[in-house]
Amino acid sequence: DVKVTQSSRYLVKRTGEKVFLECVQDMDHENMFWYRQDPGLGLRLIYFSYDVKMKEKGDIPEGYSVSREKKERFSLILESASTNQTSMYLCASSWDQNEQFFGPGTRLTVL
Amino acid sequence: SQELEQSPQSLIVQEGKNLTINCTSSKTLYGLYWYKQKYGEGLIFLMMLQKGGEEKSHEKITAKLDEKKQQSSLHITASQPSHAGIYLCGADRRGRIGNQFYFGTGTSLTVIP
Repeated sequence: DVKVTQSSRYLVKRTGEKVFLECVQDMDHENMFWYRQDPGLGLRLIYFSYDVKMKEKGDIPEGYSVSREKKERFSLILESASTNQTSMYLCASSWDQNEQFFGPGTRLTVL
Repeated sequence: SQELEQSPQSLIVQEGKNLTINCTSSKTLYGLYWYKQKYGEGLIFLMMLQKGGEEKSHEKITAKLDEKKQQSSLHITASQPSHAGIYLCGADRRGRIGNQFYFGTGTSLTVIP
């Protein structure tokens, strides 16, 4: 079974803090994705990566950056957290043109 | 504007009843994916449809893609409390780097025992 894990289920940070969200997949997938999910807005793509050290902006990249130094790991970075970044963050991975497999999510609260 | 429209937004049914969730696009769908999300958790892949007229079933859940490949429906027969959750449709954004998806806003299903 494909496993996608995220470093934290719940996270509380203060405004202005630097936040790292980690995602690891164990199936050698090429593609990895970061989404945020908000009520009424659904899932929105923040960034994705289709190979090591490669990254592409999604629909809402502002305020975020990413890092993919190893194939299995994709990190989402909030350089200076703000209250409007309070959300559920979901990581996913996939191989080529196939279904995406999701992690359990990280619920981030920025105070 | 939302590229994938889901209806209804929420649904409350009595256990044992059948129900249908719809997912509609204004564009041709190259790949349509159904996911289920338990509240506060990640998404679980249910089914993928690619061909016009295609239909797939898993246990009591059936998904169909219309011939025009612009609408999909998810049908649950004899619903159970374990079916409760949020159902999302996702579609392949063909033409972009990597297999990017876009998602509908989801349908929240409550099953009353």
